[in-house]
Formats: sequence, structure tokens, C-alpha cells
Amino acid sequence: AQTVTQSQPEMSVQEAETVTLSCTYDTSESDYYLFWYKQPPSRQMILVIRQEAYKQQNATENRFSVNFQKAAKSFSLKISDSQLGDAAMYFCAYRSGGFQKLVFGTGTRLLVSP
Amino acid sequence: EAEVAQSPRYKITEKSQAVAFWCDPISGHATLYWYRQILGQGPELLVQFQDESVVDDSQLPKDRFSAERLKGVDSTLKIQPAELGDSAMYLCASSLAAGRTEAFFGQGTRLTVV
Repeated sequence: AQTVTQSQPEMSVQEAETVTLSCTYDTSESDYYLFWYKQPPSRQMILVIRQEAYKQQNATENRFSVNFQKAAKSFSLKISDSQLGDAAMYFCAYRSGGFQKLVFGTGTRLLVSP
Repeated sequence: EAEVAQSPRYKITEKSQAVAFWCDPISGHATLYWYRQILGQGPELLVQFQDESVVDDSQLPKDRFSAERLKGVDSTLKIQPAELGDSAMYLCASSLAAGRTEAFFGQGTRLTVV
């Protein structure tokens, strides 16, 4: 079974600074997808960024980018120019190709200070 | 903007009572997920539907939980009887298909069993 590990329960960053959230996963498959989701307090979970395993190029969405290391099974999220609104729980998630379940890590709480 | 609708938002029930949650996915989304999220943890998949068929219910406690999606549209998750350990957030999500397509989440139902 696929597993997703987030080893940082909590991270802190100051506004305008950069922070990196770590994620590792375990799989024997070659066709899969990786996601980072954001869950603000008392609000619904939303997608931040996705990465297809077959793509070597790291995904980027505005201030959010990933460092995808397929051989190391690592998928970290970098947030640049952090803003107060970035404070939330961040979940790394994995899904195989086809009709497979979306597996989540335990999450990293990001605190942003002025 | 299309959203995943869930009701109720909050539910308090007594131990041994029955409780039900409802989810209406985004129109046209064939894949529907029910997740349970205990406070401070990542979501855990309970059941996944593809149209009206169950694709994965391996983590669903079938002695007390049931889920249905009769016409392949909206879905109901039921717990009977509820136990104290069932207190959690129940999240519904939907996607056009599995694989690379993102899952959209509802706001969830927070269940408290007393």
C-alpha cells in the first residue's frame, strides 16, 4: 500500500520569507500523481499544486513550487514571499493512475508571523 | 462557482444513536470520496465511488458504517450506532475522474458524539 509521510508537524515563517514543507512517499508504481492541499482553519481543503510523476519538470503555481525527486520519492513544497493568508494545514497527497484512492499525509501546520 | 455541498455542517449526537451525512458532488463528477479526519490528522479514506459503484471501502467499519450513491449523483454516509470514537470531521470530495484530476472538497460535517 502507498504511504505518505510528512515529518514536520509544524513550521513557522515570517511574512515575505520562504519556507519549504517536506513530504516523502512510498510506492512501487510508475504512474502516479502528487498533490499539495491547503486546509485553512474551519475552511475547506483546496488544491495548491499538482505534479505528474512522468513529468521531470517541477510544477509551479505563482508563489508555490515543488521539488520533485522521483528517485528519492520526495515531494517538497516551497512557498515564496509568504503571506499571512498562507497560514493553514498543508497536506501532501498521492494517487495512482486509474481509479485509485487519494492517500494523505498527516499534515504540516504552517504558522506565518508578521 | 460549482462546489461540493455537504450537510449538516455540525452534528451532535448521543452514543448509540444513528446519524447520517449527505453530500452533493459537483455536477458531472463521477468519482466521489468520503473521508474521516480526526482533529490534527490527515484525512483517511472511508469509501470511494465511481458513479454508483463502490471502488474502495476497505477502511469502512462495515459493522456500523454504510454508504450509498444510488443514482451516481449525491451520496449518504450513515453511522449506526454512533460511538464516542466516531467524533471527527467527515469530508466529502469529488472529481471528474481519478488520476491527475484534482479532488474538490466540501466544507465537511463535524460530528461530536456525546
